[in-house]
Amino acid sequence: DAKTTQPPSMDCAEGRAANLPCNHSTISGNEYVYWYRQIHSQGPQYIIHGLKNNETNEMASLIITEDRKSSTLILPHATLRDTAVYYCIVRLQGAQKLVFGQGTRLTINP
Amino acid sequence: DSGVTQTPKHLITATGQRVTLRCSPRSGDLSVYWYQQSLDQGLQFLIQYYNGEERAKGNILERFSAQQFPDLHSELNLSSLELGDSALYFCASSVAGAKDEQYFGPGTRLTVT
Repeated sequence: DAKTTQPPSMDCAEGRAANLPCNHSTISGNEYVYWYRQIHSQGPQYIIHGLKNNETNEMASLIITEDRKSSTLILPHATLRDTAVYYCIVRLQGAQKLVFGQGTRLTINP
Repeated sequence: DSGVTQTPKHLITATGQRVTLRCSPRSGDLSVYWYQQSLDQGLQFLIQYYNGEERAKGNILERFSAQQFPDLHSELNLSSLELGDSALYFCASSVAGAKDEQYFGPGTRLTVT
């Protein structure tokens, strides 16, 4: 699985959009980008995933650059409950496991 | 609530002992995954079962074993416990396997004293 690089921590004001970057410069054509988050010590929670195109669901949007070497997770209107560690994971198509890095600790401030 | 249940929530035991962690997947999910989260190693994949059969193996110690039963629940057995086995153990489930989203349970916190 390709390695990912994320900033260790970020802050965002409540109500603003939180933009979390992820670099995956060695990603290959059949690898997907997944985002999970972990609130405190709870089980990780699936957010969104994509291959090439931008994706949006009720939780977030995922923007993948045209060369696929980086992506951004966007939480459009961050709330205090979005404070968590966010993991960007590159997963080979057909791979069973998720390989977690260190993630980004996002703190939403009132 | 992900629909995945894990018992017990907390477990405190002594070195050298053996424990069993239990996981019930979401209704309809055939795959079960086990992950370990410790302070120094982060979240690490241990093992996956699909419909009762082992499908993938990660950094699982020989002292650890798992199985998935016909009703699809899974158990992770940890034996000859060491202080370093203290960690959060998460179970996740998915419909089938590859590419499917994994839904995680609340975890079991194991403390070895």
